[in-house]
Amino acid sequence: DADVTQTPRNRITKTGKRIMLECSQTKGHDRMYWYRQDPGLGLRLIYYSFDVKDINKGEISDGYSVSRQAQAKFSLSLESAIPNQTALYFCATSFGGFGDNEQFFGPGTRLTVL
Amino acid sequence: SQQGEEDPQALSIQEGENATMNCSYKTSINNLQWYRQNSGRGLVHLILIRSNEREKHSGRLRVTLDTSKKSSSLLITASRAADTASYFCAAAGGGGSYIPTFGRGTSLIVHP
Repeated sequence: DADVTQTPRNRITKTGKRIMLECSQTKGHDRMYWYRQDPGLGLRLIYYSFDVKDINKGEISDGYSVSRQAQAKFSLSLESAIPNQTALYFCATSFGGFGDNEQFFGPGTRLTVL
Repeated sequence: SQQGEEDPQALSIQEGENATMNCSYKTSINNLQWYRQNSGRGLVHLILIRSNEREKHSGRLRVTLDTSKKSSSLLITASRAADTASYFCAAAGGGGSYIPTFGRGTSLIVHP
């Protein structure tokens, strides 16, 4: 089984709808992240969480919210989806602390907002 | 803003040739990481080089880091068609968070 899973893998929705993307991990990592990827723009950080009680905004948090339900679960919500939120969304995890912090990515969720 | 910026944006070579990608970053770092992404899939970590290291090898990969120039390079030797992918550098700064900040990536095509 994959260490980092995301559901759904693909989603088409309409403007104004509320959408939740879910991420689960079996790596036992404390840190979890949500990124979006747009063509030509690389990955941009939306939110990150260092543990269940520590959630922080990233570079582009407007229009998004998150919930860290447990160490293994981190959800991203779009309260009222708009077309420019059409993108590929990735969840990632990493160890905490001050050591090497390579990230482990999920397979991505392709979201289309019409 | 992106900490890491890759150059070139796109690279097309023949199988067997070497591929070199460069990355520049803006502020001091704790480490710099390289990732690979096959089309539309999740990123896969390739190699991490710490700020006190100058060169690191992993199989056919060679990474160098020049902190005085705030730059890194990734060399893939004897490229294969299966190396076709996008490659991203991610610079992880200090301040305690060590969160990697990704560049826009280099798209590598290796022709058989």
